[in-house]
Amino acid sequence: QVTLKESGPVLVKPTETLTLTCTVSGFSLRNARMGVSWIRQPPGKALEWLAHIFSNDEKSYSTSLKSRLTISKDTSKSQVVLTMTNMDPVDTATYYCARIDKFGSKFDSWGQGTLVTVSS
Amino acid sequence: DIHMTQSPSSLSASVGDRVTITCRASQSISSYLNWYQQKPGKAPNLLIYAASTLQSGVPSRFSGSGSGTDFTLTISRLQPEDFATYYCQQSYSTPWTFGQGTRVEIK
Repeated sequence: QVTLKESGPVLVKPTETLTLTCTVSGFSLRNARMGVSWIRQPPGKALEWLAHIFSNDEKSYSTSLKSRLTISKDTSKSQVVLTMTNMDPVDTATYYCARIDKFGSKFDSWGQGTLVTVSS
Repeated sequence: DIHMTQSPSSLSASVGDRVTITCRASQSISSYLNWYQQKPGKAPNLLIYAASTLQSGVPSRFSGSGSGTDFTLTISRLQPEDFATYYCQQSYSTPWTFGQGTRVEIK
């Protein structure tokens, strides 16, 4: 059974750096066909893709957020980490991690999401 | 970036109705188009990938079609559990992008 679980702070202050961890099970981050993406959703708004990483360390980032994002993985721990610098209240959102199946580049399994609020 | 536009933004329908949602890409994306269903407070769930392939476990009343820039998601006979928000997503090139969503409400 494939599972993904996000963890990290529920509240961050403006200008701080957010660090989120996605812990996966049921598949390996060494699997060449699979990767992990981060996707966010502000309250009442649409989904926004942020970044992805694959087993060969191939990475890609949202055009508008590229300068603030870093994605990495620890294969031995089955974890994918996303950092976002210089947080702002507009970054308040539920952050999801999702597995990517390269066959179709589809998000076929999702974590439950974690709500991050940016406020002083 | 490829921009995805869904229409309508919301619709009201009754149980048993046939519902169609459209998604348009700002450039050709071949058949690299996925559809997701999201219920309130839950993560999205993959329904259809590659424009028309039903994800395992998804009821056959859901279907997808299209290629190039224009795509549709059809629910043949709306069921109570289908009231949700639906998103399209292009997987043709990064940055991957989603449509703004279509909310399907009970009439």
